[in-house]
Amino acid sequence: GDSVTQMEGPVTLSEEAFLTINCTYTATGYPSLFWYVQYPGEGLQLLLKATKADDKGSNKGFEATYRKETTSFHLEKGSVQVSDSAVYFCALGSSNTGKLIFGQGTTLQVKP
Amino acid sequence: DAGITQSPRYKITETGRQVTLMCHQTWSHSYMFWYRQDLGHGLRLIYYSAAADITDKGEVPDGYVVSRSKTENFPLTLESATRSQTSVYFCASSENRPSNTGELFFGEGSRLTVL
Repeated sequence: GDSVTQMEGPVTLSEEAFLTINCTYTATGYPSLFWYVQYPGEGLQLLLKATKADDKGSNKGFEATYRKETTSFHLEKGSVQVSDSAVYFCALGSSNTGKLIFGQGTTLQVKP
Repeated sequence: DAGITQSPRYKITETGRQVTLMCHQTWSHSYMFWYRQDLGHGLRLIYYSAAADITDKGEVPDGYVVSRSKTENFPLTLESATRSQTSVYFCASSENRPSNTGELFFGEGSRLTVL
């Protein structure tokens, strides 16, 4: 079945460091891919998305490119801030079920 | 206020008791979902609903019951709570089929502890 695998955390970075959070997927068909962010004490919110191969989603300085050849959708940011500390979830839209399938989440902690 | 709200935000109960978590959304979204969030498991879908009076099981439905008599409400009931149901529960809604848009709107969560 469809699935999403994220790199295990926690990831701890200093402010202004470069961020990469790896995400790979297994799916039939051509799923849409998403990154969600969960700030402390809050629900998840959509960060960015890409609906077809080679699309790049971007928002708030974060980017992710839909790579069909490597079945990946890695999240990147060039310079993280303390306020980026959160849990990040990769997700795919399953064309089989119509639902979102989430990865396990990766905790990011940014230190000043 | 507009949005999606969950209640209670925090609940402590005992094994065997019945617990109901409420979810209310003001957007008239067709789709509603219940997830549980646990360390090491991420988010797992419990139940979902595509419209009023239509519900279906997700990945981990055992021990839970849902209903959706009105579009805006989607309560989740634990009929006889067990310790393994200690978790943070999130309700979410979506206007369209989520695999297309990916845009789920989440509530702030309900933290349930079963003693």
